[in-house]
Order: sequence, then structure tokens, then C-alpha cells
Amino acid sequence: DSGVTQTPKHLITATGQRVTLRCSPRSGDLSVYWYQQSLDQGLQFLIQYYNGEERAKGNILERFSAQQFPDLHSELNLSSLELGDSALYFCASSVGSLLGRKTEAFFGQGTRLTVV
Amino acid sequence: QQQVKQSPQSLIVQKGGISIINCAYENTAFDYFPWYQQFPGKGPALLIAIRPDVSEKKEGRFTISFNKSAKQFSLHIMDSQPGDSATYFCAASTSSGTASKLTFGTGTRLQVTL
Repeated sequence: DSGVTQTPKHLITATGQRVTLRCSPRSGDLSVYWYQQSLDQGLQFLIQYYNGEERAKGNILERFSAQQFPDLHSELNLSSLELGDSALYFCASSVGSLLGRKTEAFFGQGTRLTVV
Repeated sequence: QQQVKQSPQSLIVQKGGISIINCAYENTAFDYFPWYQQFPGKGPALLIAIRPDVSEKKEGRFTISFNKSAKQFSLHIMDSQPGDSATYFCAASTSSGTASKLTFGTGTRLQVTL
């Protein structure tokens, strides 16, 4: 168990809908990362937050947004869902914001999103 | 644009054998190279990591070899066991200012047979 908690584990929703994925980082971790894992695209970085502030952005669609709250949990909001958004969404956390400098990323077990 | 290329896509190794997975990168700004192990239905778990100032790092049966000039790094699993059967991802990270992100390879599905 990495200590990173993601809810829900599974989510089935219809096209056009909006969902919210939740992530609680490991105790003491200030940085949160979101990744999307699909069969054809592999693990794709979406966005990073550090202590409530957005720090890095990857290939995140405009229909997607995220935030990190004062208690350091994070939410990823996905709207106007399309079939192609079906994927595993992972949250990771780390103590610092600079990986490899005495800080490493630990992943949660993911949320499997199915859009029908 | 795929910045970290991983091969092979799949690998079958007999129990006790050596599993070797290779990765190559293009971005010379990468300064941290971790390997993750992922079992079905689970999130990626950090296995071992290396920074470019060393050429090799060993932890138990797992070794990373790093060739900075060739921009390549590899994972060697010695005495491979059936419990090692999983998907392995190499990754690379670059840090700028106060942010960093991991760029992953496409994964290698390892099967260790009895």
C-alpha cells in the first residue's frame, strides 16, 4: 500500500456527463500529480500541484480541470465526457516538488473510468 | 512525440534467468530515471531509480545500468521469479524551477515461466 488513496475505484458514466475523481496524498506529501493510463497512450502526465498551487501542466484537455485543497487532497474534474476518456486515472504524491532530489512519486491504485 | 522509448514490448523469461529491459531518451535535461512495476489492477510502484551522475545502481536482484553518452538506461532483473511477472515502466523526469513531471516509456510486459 503506497499510502495514496483514490476514490472511487470504478466509475461508469454516460457520454456528456461530468465526474470528479478524488485523491488523498500520503501523509506529509505536498505534491500531487495526475496521470491518465490508456491502452494506446500509456501513462500520460496531466497536471501537478504543490501545496495548493498548480506547478506543471501536461497534455490535459480543456474539458479537464484539477485543484488541490488546503488539506492537500486533490480532485480531478472531467466534463463533457467522451468515449475516448475511458481510462485509468492515477494520482501520485511526493514530499517535494522536484523528483529525484530526495523525493519520489508514489502512486495510488487508480480510478477506472468507463464512459458508455 | 515520445521522449522515452522502451523495448521490448513483451518479454518471456524462464525462472532463474535474467530479464533485461531497455530505454532510450532524447531530452538531455532529464535528470532522474526511475523504474516502476505495475501489477494488473494496481498502480505503478517505484522499484528503483538512478540519477545521471552514477552509471549503475543495484538493489537486491534489480540493477539499473545508465549510459549518459548513449542516452540509454536499462533494468536488469537477476534470478527472475514468477512473482516478478508484471508490467515494467521506465520513466524520466526533468525539473524546472519548482516543478517536475515524469515521462513514461510504453511499458514492458514481463512473464516469468516455471
